[in-house]
Amino acid sequence: KQEVTQIPAALSVPEGENLVLNCSFTDSAIYNLQWFRQDPGKGLTSLLLIQSSQREQTSGRLNASLDKSSGRSTLYIAASQPGDSATYLCAVTSGSRLTFGEGTQLTVNP
Amino acid sequence: DVKVTQSSRYLVKRTGEKVFLECVQDMDHENMFWYRQDPGLGLRLIYFSYDVKMKEKGDIPEGYSVSREKKERFSLILESASTNQTSMYLCASSHHQPGQPSSGANVLTFGAGSRLTVL
Repeated sequence: KQEVTQIPAALSVPEGENLVLNCSFTDSAIYNLQWFRQDPGKGLTSLLLIQSSQREQTSGRLNASLDKSSGRSTLYIAASQPGDSATYLCAVTSGSRLTFGEGTQLTVNP
Repeated sequence: DVKVTQSSRYLVKRTGEKVFLECVQDMDHENMFWYRQDPGLGLRLIYFSYDVKMKEKGDIPEGYSVSREKKERFSLILESASTNQTSMYLCASSHHQPGQPSSGANVLTFGAGSRLTVL
């Protein structure tokens, strides 16, 4: 059974810092990995999707990498802003199922 | 933009009541999903559907049922609500099924969530 772990559970940084969020998964036979953002009390917004054949995807200040063989993905956020404060979740697709991590709660302080 | 609409953002129900959570998507997606999200447990899949009138059990289907009479609408039903069903319920849709190798097409789009409290 696929298990997804996100470390750290919470992170607080000053505005302007570059930061890395980590996601690890136990079964490397995945189709893709997605990163989502969730604001308090809201649904999830898809940020980036990386197919299993890809190494990374970029969108603006966000860069996600995937190392399938080691079961790891990182989400890099450049020049963080207070508006980036949210919970970030990763999810992997293996078989016909999506498995979510519990998320990293990010706070960017002005 | 794809839109997934959950009709009720906040509900308060009593134990034993029948509860309907409605979800509508407007992008002709084949696949729809219901998750619940709880602190410390993350998102757990309750039911999903890959076609009209089709439904499949997820990881925690007990105490729930679903209905998909039309492609755009996927309803979650709690036949007799219990306090342990107090949770945030999230509906999602996608064009392709998870596992189908299609760039971008199996991105999940989520609704805003329905927070249910059962007293």
